Amino acid sequence: KAGVTQTPRYLIKTRGQQVTLSCSPISGHRSVSWYQQTPGQGLQFLFEYFSETQRNKGNFPGRFSGRQFSNSRSEMNVSTLELGDSALYLCASSLERGQGAGYTFGSGTRLTVV
Amino acid sequence: GENVEQHPSTLSVQEGDSAVIKCTYSDSASNYFPWYKQELGKRPQLIIDIRSNVGEKKDQRIAVTLNKTAKHFSLHITETQPEDSAVYFCAASRRGNKLVFGAGTILRVKS
Repeated sequence: KAGVTQTPRYLIKTRGQQVTLSCSPISGHRSVSWYQQTPGQGLQFLFEYFSETQRNKGNFPGRFSGRQFSNSRSEMNVSTLELGDSALYLCASSLERGQGAGYTFGSGTRLTVV
Repeated sequence: GENVEQHPSTLSVQEGDSAVIKCTYSDSASNYFPWYKQELGKRPQLIIDIRSNVGEKKDQRIAVTLNKTAKHFSLHITETQPEDSAVYFCAASRRGNKLVFGAGTILRVKS
């Protein structure tokens, strides 16, 4: 079966712009979690969506937002981009919400802000 | 909230030797502890996990041990091979909550 699909794979944006990233979970998986990965900070939790509702949220500013659609696909949006937002953004899907058991990660979207 | 510390940050071993990576967690309610391997340019992949009702789990050359009293868990890789070279992340979570990751360990296996 298909894995977790993230699009696009690479993005270059200018400071002040906004960006939308997409994540399609494994078929049947209802939970999607987003992480930011940077060399200095490791994997930092952004938020988790389950049944179109945000269930958990990390310590990121309000410029970071997301949503989930009825087919479980999720998008995350970053507004007013800053240089420090340059990172690999990973999403992970799982059957049920919470706990992190059974996470499967996508290949990520590498965002570069210039 | 949960905090996970991982040591060492880098580890170099000779091919065939063993490698051990250690993690400590702060939330005593954590009950799920996975380990992920991330090769350069690729996504993290689950290699082994353990739940709090088990003290040790083994899968071929990889094993994980958990000490709930001390709140630490370790990854053991025996007979290391060059293809084991990667970044390894430990993580912890409790039911209904997110996975919190350690900072990662860069493992280099020298042949």
